[in-house]
Amino acid sequence: EDKVVQSPLSLVVHEGDTVTLNCSYEVTNFRSLLWYKQEKKAPTFLFMLTSSGIEKKSGRLSSILDKKELSSILNITATQTGDSAIYLCAGLYNFNKFYFGSGTKLNVKP
Amino acid sequence: NAGVTQTPKFRVLKTGQSMTLLCAQDMNHEYMYWYRQDPGMGLRLIHYSVGEGTTAKGEVPDGYNVSRLKKQNFLLGLESAAPSQTSVYFCASSLGNSDTQYFGPGTRLTVL
Repeated sequence: EDKVVQSPLSLVVHEGDTVTLNCSYEVTNFRSLLWYKQEKKAPTFLFMLTSSGIEKKSGRLSSILDKKELSSILNITATQTGDSAIYLCAGLYNFNKFYFGSGTKLNVKP
Repeated sequence: NAGVTQTPKFRVLKTGQSMTLLCAQDMNHEYMYWYRQDPGMGLRLIHYSVGEGTTAKGEVPDGYNVSRLKKQNFLLGLESAAPSQTSVYFCASSLGNSDTQYFGPGTRLTVL
């Protein structure tokens, strides 16, 4: 059973749209949740969330953790073609284990 | 700072051959990780290390071995490659266990 599940698997939007990506996680030994953006090669870090209800923001991207719902969302406002990528969610668990979701592939069309 | 580097970038092996992937980081990070990424799937942790001389198994360790003889290097070995090990391999490092992971550019391995 997957510890981290992302939805949707893929998404196509037009420039200027706002998108919300979802990530749910298994609670046992959970410590933190991380979001990454993966374009052509290596994932690059976006956010790390440890506390529930505190929004983290970076430009047009924002993310929040909901420990009651065991989930997190990543919002992207005013999307641009450069936002096209795979967005990965990962849970950090005890004993330094990271478990990644399968990713959401976002395609932003001009 | 080069960050995290991986060699080689590409490799093709025949079934049964062995090889070693090298990961190097120049950020003085304690933690290092090896992942594999298969089409349509996220990254899966193979092995990790919390410091020089230590290694531990991740989610999918079978068929792989690792060594961390120097703090800056983390080696991933395949003793007898199998087609199921065809994948893109990513190395990552972090300062501590609650810190951001920085990823290398990846190694694309094909086993025929």
